[in-house]
Amino acid sequence: NAGVTQTPKFRVLKTGQSMTLLCAQDMNHEYMYWYRQDPGMGLRLIHYSVGEGTTAKGEVPDGYNVSRLKKQNFLLGLESAAPSQTSVYFCASTNQMTGGLVQHFGDGTRLSIL
Amino acid sequence: AQTVTQSQPEMSVQEAETVTLSCTYDTSESDYYLFWYKQPPSRQMILVIRQEAYKQQNATENRFSVNFQKAAKSFSLKISDSQLGDAAMYFCAYRSAESSMGSARQLTFGSGTQLTVLP
Repeated sequence: NAGVTQTPKFRVLKTGQSMTLLCAQDMNHEYMYWYRQDPGMGLRLIHYSVGEGTTAKGEVPDGYNVSRLKKQNFLLGLESAAPSQTSVYFCASTNQMTGGLVQHFGDGTRLSIL
Repeated sequence: AQTVTQSQPEMSVQEAETVTLSCTYDTSESDYYLFWYKQPPSRQMILVIRQEAYKQQNATENRFSVNFQKAAKSFSLKISDSQLGDAAMYFCAYRSAESSMGSARQLTFGSGTQLTVLP
């Protein structure tokens, strides 16, 4: 039972490069989220999705784009990476059945932008 | 918008002793949920305990209990009989109730408290 899987687990980019972080869940969850974690700031919501084909902005969306073409996958894209995007990124999912009270988190992706 | 504040960046406790981590929040909503998450060095996010705002009774999970003061908007976590495995970053989090307009069940986190357990 994989739960929430994030790919890759670690990546180093140069400023200006682009990349996509993949989040996959096998629990048939409707809701999916991307958070970033920075020292002294906790986790902050970047974007979220309440269902296949829908996305919305969170607290810190600038510089990121997302897509949810399939229910099980939620992609986070950085079109032109900046050093300020150095962070640990977490994906999470939840469903309506539990009233969304249990969020399942991936193990995080550590991203460094040089 | 809701905010969650954890004013203790670091705490330490002697093994087998009791420690309390503080959390305050700001909201205009009357119905919501509060959570404590534990993040060990492995980076996993582990749900420790959950409190529903409409319940007056404080939640308890084994050695973990909360002191929920709705009027004061305070939600502290008490860890009894602390163990070395309790050492981790602890996050307090807020979530609106389903009935709130625009709620997508997302969590608002505090900045975290790093707990060290001394042998």
